[in-house]
Amino acid sequence: DAGVIQSPRHEVTEMGQEVTLRCKPISGHDYLFWYRQTMMRGLELLIYFNNNVPIDDSGMPEDRFSAKMPNASFSTLKIQPSEPRDSAVYFCASSYGAAGYEQYFGPGTRLTVT
Amino acid sequence: DAKTTQPNSMESNEEEPVHLPCNHSTISGTDYIHWYRQLPSQGPEYVIHGLTSNVNNRMASLAIAEDRKSSTLILHRATLRDAAVYYCILRDPDYGGSQGNLIFGKGTKLSVKP
Repeated sequence: DAGVIQSPRHEVTEMGQEVTLRCKPISGHDYLFWYRQTMMRGLELLIYFNNNVPIDDSGMPEDRFSAKMPNASFSTLKIQPSEPRDSAVYFCASSYGAAGYEQYFGPGTRLTVT
Repeated sequence: DAKTTQPNSMESNEEEPVHLPCNHSTISGTDYIHWYRQLPSQGPEYVIHGLTSNVNNRMASLAIAEDRKSSTLILHRATLRDAAVYYCILRDPDYGGSQGNLIFGKGTKLSVKP
């Protein structure tokens, strides 16, 4: 299994531009999570899906952030418009089952907004 | 949320055992103790989890105090590749919604000297 796949691995964009991060979870996993990691705030959960349905988006910082999961094998996290404070590493993770004892993380997307 | 307390950093010598402590005095009866680690420039990686009894797997051992108010992750022979941030996390798998999710603290940064 290829594990969780994220693209792009690095993204540099200018303030005000739209950014789309992509994630392919492990096949068969029914939970998908988006996290953000910064030096100041550590690793934070932004939103998670169960069977493609968003369950809790209380961690999404503001309306500029949106996430979708159109099918079981693909999810996107969009920031529009982007701001310098959005610079961070964004991780996608997936797990199987309600307990989800093991979350499998992708390699992350390092976003830099100038 | 039940909280965990870990030392900010620890050092070890290569090929020696490492004991990483975690205090969780407010743990509830249904909280599982999870350990994840994050190697440099990578996403977090599941290490081990347990409820009451000590647990062993190919990566590590988890020793849980009888009163469950503390636990210790044991790496039997540290290698340079074990240098990472280790997170101790409490999670109740029977809790629906976001409270059943992983909440990452600051963790312990483990350095391994050759």
